[in-house]
Parts: sequence; C-alpha cells; structure tokens
Amino acid sequence: DQQVKQNSPSLSVQEGRISILNCDYTNSMFDYFLWYKKYPAEGPTFLISISSIKDKNEDGRFTVFLNKSAKHLSLHIVPSQPGDSAVYFCAASAPNTGNQFYFGTGTSLTVIP
Amino acid sequence: KAGVTQTPRYLIKTRGQQVTLSCSPISGHRSVSWYQQTPGQGLQFLFEYFSETQRNKGNFPGRFSGRQFSNSRSEMNVSTLELGDSALYLCASSLTGTGSGYTFGSGTRLTVV
Repeated sequence: DQQVKQNSPSLSVQEGRISILNCDYTNSMFDYFLWYKKYPAEGPTFLISISSIKDKNEDGRFTVFLNKSAKHLSLHIVPSQPGDSAVYFCAASAPNTGNQFYFGTGTSLTVIP
Repeated sequence: KAGVTQTPRYLIKTRGQQVTLSCSPISGHRSVSWYQQTPGQGLQFLFEYFSETQRNKGNFPGRFSGRQFSNSRSEMNVSTLELGDSALYLCASSLTGTGSGYTFGSGTRLTVV
C-alpha cells in the first residue's frame, strides 16, 4: 500500500518559470517530510525537509509547503533551471520508526531551455 | 571525503540463486539503510542497521536479510531469487540516523533472469 503518492510521473517547465511538484500522503502519523533529487546513474540527494510543526520551509530557489489537513505537500522551484532536470522523490516518516522513510514513486522534471 | 560505495554496480543472476550486495558508508557514519527501487513502487525501505544491530525492518520477506560489520560496512543478501527481485538496490548512510542526513550510494542494479 503506497502511503506516499506522487501522481504526476512527469512535468515539463520552461526555464525561468516555476516548477511545482506535488505529493500526497495517507498516514496522518507522518511528521517529517523530505524531498530528494535523483540524476540518472546516481543515488538520490537530499534537497529540503519540513517538520509537521511548520507549513513552509525555504532554501534558496526551493520552497516546500505542507498542508496537514489535506495531507499534501508541494515543492516549488523558482526560477527553474535546466540543471534542475531530474527525478524528484518526496519521502515521509512517522515518530518512533527509526530511520524508516516512505518514498513516493517520483516525478521526472524536465526544464526546457 | 569518499561517498557511499556500493558494489557491484550491476549484477545478473538466475532465478533460485542467491546474491550478496555490499555497501561501504561514509567514514564515521554508523547508520546504514537499504532501499529497493522499482519503477512502479518507488523506493521501498528494506532495513536499517546501526552499530551492527538491525534497528528497523520494512515489509519484505525473510529472503531479504542483511548485516553490518564493526567498521559499519553493510551487506544485503537475497536468497532464492525471484524475477520480481529485479530492481535497483540503494544503500544510504547517515551520521545521525535522520533522513535529511542520508547520503545514498549509486546503487546496485540487480537483474534476475
């Protein structure tokens, strides 16, 4: 049962515009969320995280928004750059589950120059 | 500093065989987690080791096992391979045991024929 879902397998955006990647989850116990970025033939790299006590976290061009009531989070990239083209995974964890994270299936972002 | 090293990078095995994958974490990292990545399921948590002890385990059959050595290197073993075990196996090491501290290796691509 997929507890974290990324319903858009792919997204294309013009360079300079905003990219919005979405993620939904079903487990209301999740309290910590992360986004990872993955290039082909490489492992995922950590991008940004957010705790459930916040509804927004910003790091440079990347902002993550959390809507707990809707069990939804989104990653905004502004402005989008060609180097942002990659697969993006969202992940979530619940308290007292150690280092176990539930990942979505990923969204492949293509930024068109 | 050296990253997370996974060996081998590619592996082809026959149904019924067993396989051992290796992961060398970043020096000083004591937590090692294993994930299976398949196209339809995203990254699925297998298990986590910390200081030679399995600290957490995902929902995989007993054919999947692992261990961690005193130098924090970890191995993952899959016995009686099935076609459905074909996947990218990713190892992630962490100093603090939190997902934001994960550093992933590039993975081992296992193909079962």
